[in-house]
Amino acid sequence: DAGVTQSPTHLIKTRGQQVTLRCSPKSGHDTVSWYQQALGQGPQFIFQYYEEEERQRGNFPDRFSGHQFPNYSSELNVNALLLGDSALYLCASSFDLGLAGGSEQFFGPGTRLTVL
Amino acid sequence: DQQVKQNSPSLSVQEGRISILNCDYTNSMFDYFLWYKKYPAEGPTFLISISSIKDKNEDGRFTVFLNKSAKHLSLHIVPSQPGDSAVYFCAASASSGGATNKLIFGTGTLLAVQP
Repeated sequence: DAGVTQSPTHLIKTRGQQVTLRCSPKSGHDTVSWYQQALGQGPQFIFQYYEEEERQRGNFPDRFSGHQFPNYSSELNVNALLLGDSALYLCASSFDLGLAGGSEQFFGPGTRLTVL
Repeated sequence: DQQVKQNSPSLSVQEGRISILNCDYTNSMFDYFLWYKKYPAEGPTFLISISSIKDKNEDGRFTVFLNKSAKHLSLHIVPSQPGDSAVYFCAASASSGGATNKLIFGTGTLLAVQP
């Protein structure tokens, strides 16, 4: 089992550009959540995808958007990059159990985005 | 507004002794709490969790205590080992069976276990 995988590992962009980050969930997981971790901070929830739809969203602007594919993999897109978007972007996967809740979230290694 | 707080940025402990990491929260709707461990260049790794219907949960060397009236939880590691050296994050969620729900993280505590 490969666990949660993310690509790319590192990325350097300039202000105003757009970026797409990718995540493959752990085998058997159907829910993908994205988090942003700025330096010295804890991860902050961006949004969560389940059944190819955004189910929950944190306090992030519309520049942040996502997608989930039928195979449960997911993308995070950020438009009009700002210097403050520089951070580690973490993907987490879990298995939804409906009213019973769900499994713990397993995190990938993250993508380090640097905006110059 | 920091709903989950870890007030100790770092902690240093001797190998074999107990490590106690603390976490406070402000949102009374939180009903599920988790601890994650993070090594450099890796994603957070789930360690242990506790539901608000319990006040203690044990898993090997790791025990989490929850004091709902004080809105406080702590992670005890006994005995501490050098391999435990990492950043520990406290996280909370608010929903029934909330492990899948969005997690609110603290800022982390860097634990250093000295040989």
